Amino acid sequence: EVQLVQSGAEVKKPGESLKISCKGSGYSFTTTWIGWVRQMPGKGLEWMGIIYPDDSDVRYTPSFQGQVAISADKSINTIYLQWKSLKAADTAMYFCARRDASGSYLDHWGQGTLVTVSS
Amino acid sequence: SYELTQPPSVSVSPGQAASITCSGDKLENKFVCWYQKKPGQPPVVVIYQDKKRPSGIPERFSGSNSGNTATLTISGSQVLDEADYFCQAWDGNSPAFGGGTKLTVL
Repeated sequence: EVQLVQSGAEVKKPGESLKISCKGSGYSFTTTWIGWVRQMPGKGLEWMGIIYPDDSDVRYTPSFQGQVAISADKSINTIYLQWKSLKAADTAMYFCARRDASGSYLDHWGQGTLVTVSS
Repeated sequence: SYELTQPPSVSVSPGQAASITCSGDKLENKFVCWYQKKPGQPPVVVIYQDKKRPSGIPERFSGSNSGNTATLTISGSQVLDEADYFCQAWDGNSPAFGGGTKLTVL
């Protein structure tokens, strides 16, 4: 069974750093593209970027380039989303999602990680 | 970046058909999928490659894509279908999402 399990909710202050994770199991993790999606409170889904864990090839959506870092540790089937300096505007639910083999949709999603940034 | 436009809301009575549209330039040239999103849960794909249903998705969910518009149709809508629905198409290696449509069944 394919599973994507994300790290737990975080409450941080502005300016703090953060790294959240998404661990995959039940499939060939290293050779499947997997990405991050943001959903701000009351808003829609936004694609942040995608990574190919085998070689850590990362493609960012332009609006998130330089704002976050996506990385992978294929030895433990895990990808990460990292901020160096959080802002209140980063408050959102973050989902990891796997691109299916045909490349046409996101077939499995993590349960989501709620990040709250507040002073 | 590629833009997809959805109506903010659609209302339907139980048992009636609901149609949610998604518009984009030459959208018929792309594969479209649809996600159902309920509060507190991750999105679930209900239609992929324009009209295919993943296993476990009820037959009342169907999709089409022609010209600049893709449509998700829920025939015989049920209260449990009440959710936000997002269309998505690939723009290179990045998915473009529609803004989402809140489906109300009452």
